[in-house]
Amino acid sequence: AQSVTQLGSHVSVSEGALVLLRCNYSSSVPPYLFWYVQYPNQGLQLLLKYTTGATLVKGINGFEAEFKKSETSFHLTKPSAHMSDAAEYFCAVLDNDMRFGAGTRLTVKP
Amino acid sequence: DTGVSQDPRHKITKRGQNVTFRCDPISEHNRLYWYRQTLGQGPEFLTYFQNEAQLEKSRLLSDRFSAERPKGSFSTLEIQRTEQGDSAMYLCASSSLPQGSGYTFGSGTRLTVV
Repeated sequence: AQSVTQLGSHVSVSEGALVLLRCNYSSSVPPYLFWYVQYPNQGLQLLLKYTTGATLVKGINGFEAEFKKSETSFHLTKPSAHMSDAAEYFCAVLDNDMRFGAGTRLTVKP
Repeated sequence: DTGVSQDPRHKITKRGQNVTFRCDPISEHNRLYWYRQTLGQGPEFLTYFQNEAQLEKSRLLSDRFSAERPKGSFSTLEIQRTEQGDSAMYLCASSSLPQGSGYTFGSGTRLTVV
């Protein structure tokens, strides 16, 4: 079965700093990979996805992620953090259904 | 279409009581999923439907849990004889085929068993 592992349950950055959230996947077939964001007491909102084609994918709110097959990674980045980016972020892989990582809580300091 | 709707948003129940949650998916989506999320964890898959057929159930879905999607539109998730360990956020999502489009999630139902 396919799975994802998120490295770091909590990441803290200063406003304006680079955001890097790490995700590694395990899959025997070319994966479909996703990043979701969750604000407190809300459902999950799709940030971006990789299915096929270009390995650098751009999403909403200035986020992007790069699929690296050689490293089995799909890390999420944003050049400059904003206070409103503070949330929980989940990496996911689509098997027969969506399988999520444990999440990374992003804190943005003023 | 206003997205995926879940009702209620919050439910507090006493241990041993039965509870039922409802999910209304995006109307064009033929797949509907239920997930459970506990504090500090990612969502865990429970079950999914394609139209009215329940195609897969997780081992997390004990015999106290039952889900239905009778007309291939809305779905209900019932928990019988609730236990404190059932306290969690229950998330519903829907999608269309092909699956690469991703899932659209509702805001969830937060269940607290006291």
